[in-house]
Amino acid sequence: NAGVTQTPKFRVLKTGQSMTLLCAQDMNHEYMYWYRQDPGMGLRLIHYSVGEGTTAKGEVPDGYNVSRLKKQNFLLGLESAAPSQTSVYFCAMKGQGDNEQFFGPGTRLTVL
Amino acid sequence: TQLLEQSPQFLSIQEGENLTVYCNSSSVFSSLQWYRQEPGEGPVLLVTVVTGGEVKKLKRLTFQFGDARKDSSLHITAAQPGDTGLYLCAGDQALITGNTGKLIFGQGTTLQVKP
Repeated sequence: NAGVTQTPKFRVLKTGQSMTLLCAQDMNHEYMYWYRQDPGMGLRLIHYSVGEGTTAKGEVPDGYNVSRLKKQNFLLGLESAAPSQTSVYFCAMKGQGDNEQFFGPGTRLTVL
Repeated sequence: TQLLEQSPQFLSIQEGENLTVYCNSSSVFSSLQWYRQEPGEGPVLLVTVVTGGEVKKLKRLTFQFGDARKDSSLHITAAQPGDTGLYLCAGDQALITGNTGKLIFGQGTTLQVKP
């Protein structure tokens, strides 16, 4: 998946627990994105970053926070998980001037 | 808010049949991309169309961008079992959001090609 790794691959949380999903890239790309994928809804953008130290809200940001302290890493945090956050989460990256987004393999999260 | 309506959501056909997937919007996009996703993996780009009326071919797959850059279609000729997967269209929102690279995705089309 073009140098994008995501950890963990699977996780089960109880309602109210917190966790951080890590996305790491080795392509030196400026732009990074966090999506969630739910059946019948395609991919929806949660938060994104256009460079180190920058973050911005996407289409469905509520309940999530992000940080991009280093260019290579984009972290997605859930402070108090809810069953509605059960989903598959994908990280993606894009080079400046490129059209294509490169996606990681995904993290399957279940919140009980 | 820009929306992309993709249809059909599900398609189950026999090997050798032809099919078309549609992606429609009331908004204009600077470009439109088609991705394919296998189970347990992230989407992978198939093609990007940029110019209104543009047609691109990738072996048995033909992609078209509408003249007004509001819609697109993916046509597969003589489908094979290896074409099975989830197909996603995605519109580049640069005309609204500037140089952020943000995409808006359609709901996806799950294609099953039976041998």
